[in-house]
Amino acid sequence: EPEVTQTPSHQVTQMGQEVILRCVPISNHLYFYWYRQILGQKVEFLVSFYNNEISEKSEIFDDQFSVERPDGSNFTLKIRSTKLEDSAMYFCATSYGAQSYEQYFGPGTRLTVT
Amino acid sequence: LAKTTQPISMDSYEGQEVNITCSHNNIATNDYITWYQQFPSQGPRFIIQGYKTKVTNEVASLFIPADRKSSTLSLPRVSLSDTAVYYCLVGSYNTDKLIFGTGTRLQVFP
Repeated sequence: EPEVTQTPSHQVTQMGQEVILRCVPISNHLYFYWYRQILGQKVEFLVSFYNNEISEKSEIFDDQFSVERPDGSNFTLKIRSTKLEDSAMYFCATSYGAQSYEQYFGPGTRLTVT
Repeated sequence: LAKTTQPISMDSYEGQEVNITCSHNNIATNDYITWYQQFPSQGPRFIIQGYKTKVTNEVASLFIPADRKSSTLSLPRVSLSDTAVYYCLVGSYNTDKLIFGTGTRLQVFP
């Protein structure tokens, strides 16, 4: 079964540093998403991305966050200046179509900001 | 998007059928119902999706009554490996995002 992969599995960084989380989508998928889950809390939507642009974003996804698909394969989430409260599990998800199509989630990157 | 309410936790034993009911009183006409499963430290995984009546796949069944204000996920003959959090989500054709609630933590005992 095809799967979404994410790297790194765990990232430790100091407050104020930039981090880039990477995702390799399933090859024929066209829609890409980032979600996060703070330990013990709900999975929260961050952003959706289609046709090389953001289609929707949440209030969490402020100017410190950005996404891109630099080489047509990887899909990245950048946090410019990390804060302690950015510590969470970050999940990439991809789908073939929009809305009612099944989203396939990656295994996640655990980000720890110290 | 319609708010969903589901039990915080449920316990079961191996081999039993488990039914998890979710209420979504404010579901809109074109909204659909989706269930995801999440194991600890893993991403959510799609289980099943439906609009009305009954949907069945190799993993589960989804029952949706005519008024669509609730839905029931049915897991036949659960095993220890079904211990996970199960999320009921209402999706809309106006958005791609998935809105997760707190889910139902299912614990299966031997």
